[in-house]
Amino acid sequence: DTGVSQDPRHKITKRGQNVTFRCDPISEHNRLYWYRQTLGQGPEFLTYFQNEAQLEKSRLLSDRFSAERPKGSFSTLEIQRTEQGDSAMYLCASSFLGTSGDNEQFFGPGTRLTVL
Amino acid sequence: AQTVTQSQPEMSVQEAETVTLSCTYDTSESNYYLFWYKQPPSRQMILVIRQEAYKQQNATENRFSVNFQKAAKSFSLKISDSQLGDTAMYFCAHSNYQLIWGAGTKLIIKP
Repeated sequence: DTGVSQDPRHKITKRGQNVTFRCDPISEHNRLYWYRQTLGQGPEFLTYFQNEAQLEKSRLLSDRFSAERPKGSFSTLEIQRTEQGDSAMYLCASSFLGTSGDNEQFFGPGTRLTVL
Repeated sequence: AQTVTQSQPEMSVQEAETVTLSCTYDTSESNYYLFWYKQPPSRQMILVIRQEAYKQQNATENRFSVNFQKAAKSFSLKISDSQLGDTAMYFCAHSNYQLIWGAGTKLIIKP
């Protein structure tokens, strides 16, 4: 396994268009996280899944944002009707959370979104 | 509420010097995990070092070591013999099922 992968690495779109990003986690990991990161800032948590269940989505930035993890493996993050303020790096991370509470997360390279 | 505070927005040191990045956190849990992550410019976030709260011994990974003071809720990162490749944003994070992030410290190693 080569780690967490994200596709595409870069996306340029026009305002008002919809975009979808994909994340493939490390195969044995049961948790998958989406973050947004703007320049010079730390990761901003958006949502996470445990297996296929989305356990937290209240931090998604608006109802234009949605995420899925249909079979508990890869996940997609969709942004509808993109706005210039959506321009950022979108990070995906995965972890294996057992009973210990250890939540070391492994990150993908990110998808950089530019909305024109 | 669980929080993580990194009080140094930016630091710079000369190559080969030792630098310490500070981190404090707040939690009511007795068992948890602490992490330092590194994010080089335009590159992927990677784990530098981790500490399990129930272990009293400070974690060490080559040139990177931590000073974990559980009672003070302090978790500082020491980088010895700093190298140009250590230039990056460094994030402290605390975990007990959820990962809580600090705002980061931008570290610049000067030649």
